[in-house]
Amino acid sequence: QSVLTQPPSVSGAPGQRVTISCTGSSSNIGAGSDVHWYQQLPGTAPKLLIYGDNYRPSGVPGRFSASKSGTSASLVITGLQVEDEADYYCQSFDSSLSGDWVFGGGTKLTVL
Amino acid sequence: EVQLLESGGGLVQPGGSQRLSCVASGFSFSGYAMGWVRQPPGKGLEWVSGISDDGVAKYLPDSVRGRFTISRDNSKNTVHLQMNSLRAEDTAVYYCAKFRGGTRRTYHFDSWGQGTLVTVSS
Repeated sequence: QSVLTQPPSVSGAPGQRVTISCTGSSSNIGAGSDVHWYQQLPGTAPKLLIYGDNYRPSGVPGRFSASKSGTSASLVITGLQVEDEADYYCQSFDSSLSGDWVFGGGTKLTVL
Repeated sequence: EVQLLESGGGLVQPGGSQRLSCVASGFSFSGYAMGWVRQPPGKGLEWVSGISDDGVAKYLPDSVRGRFTISRDNSKNTVHLQMNSLRAEDTAVYYCAKFRGGTRRTYHFDSWGQGTLVTVSS
């Protein structure tokens, strides 16, 4: 059971918009901890996609954006492309017990 | 270009020990906190250790505290994960990752190694 909850899977057709949610609690996202997002293509290491709630590292396309409100965060992908098919993980900091850095369970994005 | 190269994975028996190493290059190693994240086969990511830039502060989740130890040698741009009393559920790909952020609350992993597989089985 992950501290941050994500839907196991989402899907969309090329060109469409998809949203991946990440639900936390008052000890992590709700406490103001930053939310970060990672993309993991099949057979590869995770890659930082979004940091600090809504900032894109250099090289990440503008199709990827994110937001945060209350105890939840969302990753939005617009103009979906076939190469976006991957697993996506949210991550934050949890201030309860020894949680420290916590991940969501991951969401598999399928591009139909 | 940041590069993180892990080594030390392999097959180990339950109750055994394994030491992972990660050699970093392409950035000022002594200026950044480092960590390890693992991923069991077919499952999600789990953070398993973190160490401050100077090696003084060390962080471990309950799932591995008392069994895993993290250390670093800034003279060799290397971070280690010593894993003792290994269990079947520790089987995973272990990624070395570079922390970025101003405080623990903002820390994220901006660079990752390719991972090394640790299999705990008899």
